[in-house]
Amino acid sequence: AQSVTQLDSQVPVFEEAPVELRCNYSSSVSVYLFWYVQYPNQGLQLLLKYLSGSTLVKGINGFEAEFNKSQTSFHLRKPSVHISDTAEYFCAVSNNDYKLSFGAGTTVTVRA
Amino acid sequence: KAGVTQTPRYLIKTRGQQVTLSCSPISGHRSVSWYQQTPGQGLQFLFEYFSETQRNKGNFPGRFSGRQFSNSRSEMNVSTLELGDSALYLCASSLGGISGANVLTFGAGSRLTVL
Repeated sequence: AQSVTQLDSQVPVFEEAPVELRCNYSSSVSVYLFWYVQYPNQGLQLLLKYLSGSTLVKGINGFEAEFNKSQTSFHLRKPSVHISDTAEYFCAVSNNDYKLSFGAGTTVTVRA
Repeated sequence: KAGVTQTPRYLIKTRGQQVTLSCSPISGHRSVSWYQQTPGQGLQFLFEYFSETQRNKGNFPGRFSGRQFSNSRSEMNVSTLELGDSALYLCASSLGGISGANVLTFGAGSRLTVL
């Protein structure tokens, strides 16, 4: 079984500052990793995914994440945030069991 | 192309009633998954269907059930509603191939309130 830990429940950040959201996972088998974003009253939108290959993954809206197998981490970063990045962010892991296991989420609040 | 469509978007029920939620996947997607989202438990997996077959089920009581039709549309049903069933129910679809590498596209959700 796999599990996901998002180390920060709330991250306040000023506009145009960088942000990093931390995600660690545990799994006994190879995994696939995802970051999703949820805006108020909406479903989840895929930001990026790691399936194989390069450990540095680039996604939409300027986000990127790095897969670190030895540290079992998949941290999400953005060099300069905008007010519109205010949302809840979820890290998720999957293996070959037809489901995603999600972390508890990190709420990012961007202030002017 | 059209995204994942969930109906109804909002509904209010009373304890003991039952509810049916519907999900229309993206055209060509054969896998449909359901998740429950609550403030206390977060996002939890309910079940996944592919070509009308349930391939995996989460740890929910038997009051939660689902099915998938031949056109890939899916429904989930919750019987004998409890206050704790109040949640956002999210449906997601994918092509349904090699499972771990499947990318899920989520609908906007159905928000159920149980009074």
